[in-house]
Amino acid sequence: AQSVTQPDIHITVSEGASLELRCNYSYGATPYLFWYVQSPGQGLQLLLKYFSGDTLVQGIKGFEAEFKRSQSSFNLRKPSVHWSDAAEYFCAVGGDNDMRFGAGTRLTVKP
Amino acid sequence: DAGVIQSPRHEVTEMGQEVTLRCKPISGHNSLFWYRQTMMRGLELLIYFNNNVPIDDSGMPEDRFSAKMPNASFSTLKIQPSEPRDSAVYFCASRTGGSNQPQHFGDGTRLSIL
Repeated sequence: AQSVTQPDIHITVSEGASLELRCNYSYGATPYLFWYVQSPGQGLQLLLKYFSGDTLVQGIKGFEAEFKRSQSSFNLRKPSVHWSDAAEYFCAVGGDNDMRFGAGTRLTVKP
Repeated sequence: DAGVIQSPRHEVTEMGQEVTLRCKPISGHNSLFWYRQTMMRGLELLIYFNNNVPIDDSGMPEDRFSAKMPNASFSTLKIQPSEPRDSAVYFCASRTGGSNQPQHFGDGTRLSIL
């Protein structure tokens, strides 16, 4: 079965700075990869997904992610963080029939 | 376009009581998932259904938990009897197609067992 690791539990960045959240996956076949964001008191919202084609994927809210097969990674990036981006971010990998989520990375944005 | 609808949004009850959480998936979606989220354990998959049939319930903690999907537009997660350690946020998600498609989440039910 597939698995996901998000190495960073908590990241703090200043507003306007760039952001990169790390995600590593384990899966024997071509993975289906997703990033979700969760704001307090809400469910998970899909930011972007990858399952084939261009390895650089654009998502909502100015986010992008790059699939690197050689590194088994799917890191999430944003060039300039806004205060409203403070939330919890989950990487997920789909395989077989279901989806596995990472433990999440909590993003704090400093003014 | 209505998303996944969960009810109630909050539930507070005493231990030993039966708790029923409800979920209405997005119309046309053929898979439904129940998750539990806690600070200690993160997001855990409890069970998922495909075309109303339970496919994998290996995440269900114990026999006190049960889930049903009597039709394509409704599912329940029941805890009987409830215990304080069941306190968590429970999410329902639905999906169309296979695992290459994203899951769409409801806003969750925050459950507190006193």
